[in-house]
Amino acid sequence: EPEVTQTPSHQVTQMGQEVILRCVPISNHLYFYWYRQILGQKVEFLVSFYNNEISEKSEIFDDQFSVERPDGSNFTLKIRSTKLEDSAMYFCASSEWLGLHSNQPQHFGDGTRLSIL
Amino acid sequence: DAKTTQPPSMDCAEGRAANLPCNHSTISGNEYVYWYRQIHSQGPQYIIHGLKNNETNEMASLIITEDRKSSTLILPHATLRDTAVYYCIVRLGNYGQNFVFGPGTRLSVLP
Repeated sequence: EPEVTQTPSHQVTQMGQEVILRCVPISNHLYFYWYRQILGQKVEFLVSFYNNEISEKSEIFDDQFSVERPDGSNFTLKIRSTKLEDSAMYFCASSEWLGLHSNQPQHFGDGTRLSIL
Repeated sequence: DAKTTQPPSMDCAEGRAANLPCNHSTISGNEYVYWYRQIHSQGPQYIIHGLKNNETNEMASLIITEDRKSSTLILPHATLRDTAVYYCIVRLGNYGQNFVFGPGTRLSVLP
């Protein structure tokens, strides 16, 4: 069964550095998402992406964050000037698009654990 | 905030059916009910979703009340590997809309 893959599984970065988290969505999916989960807390939406542009973003997704689909397979989340509070699990998800009122579920990867020191 | 209410935790004996309730009293006519689970610190795993009819797949059954204000996820024969946090999420069936996760129900399947 096709799945969303994320790399690396664990990223350790010094505070203030930039980090790029990578995702390979399911191949025929057109909608892509990033979520994060701080340890012990709820899964929180960050951003959705379709047709090479952001569809929706949360308050968390400020100028520190950016997303990109650099080629036909990868979807990346860049975090600039990382802070201690950026430490979390970051999940990528993708979904099919079957029309304007598509109810297709999102399929999640197993996440990247980001640790900011 | 999440539009659903779930009990924080439940226990179930291995081999028995696990029935996980969810209240969504403010659900609108075109909102779907989705169920996900998260095992340990893995990514959320899609289980099932529905609009108003009951649904069944290889993992579970979803029973939605006639007024759609509540639903129940049924795992027919729970195993130890079903121990996880289960999330009930209400969302419009529109493209791109994100999921709003609540705290979910922590299901413990006991031997």
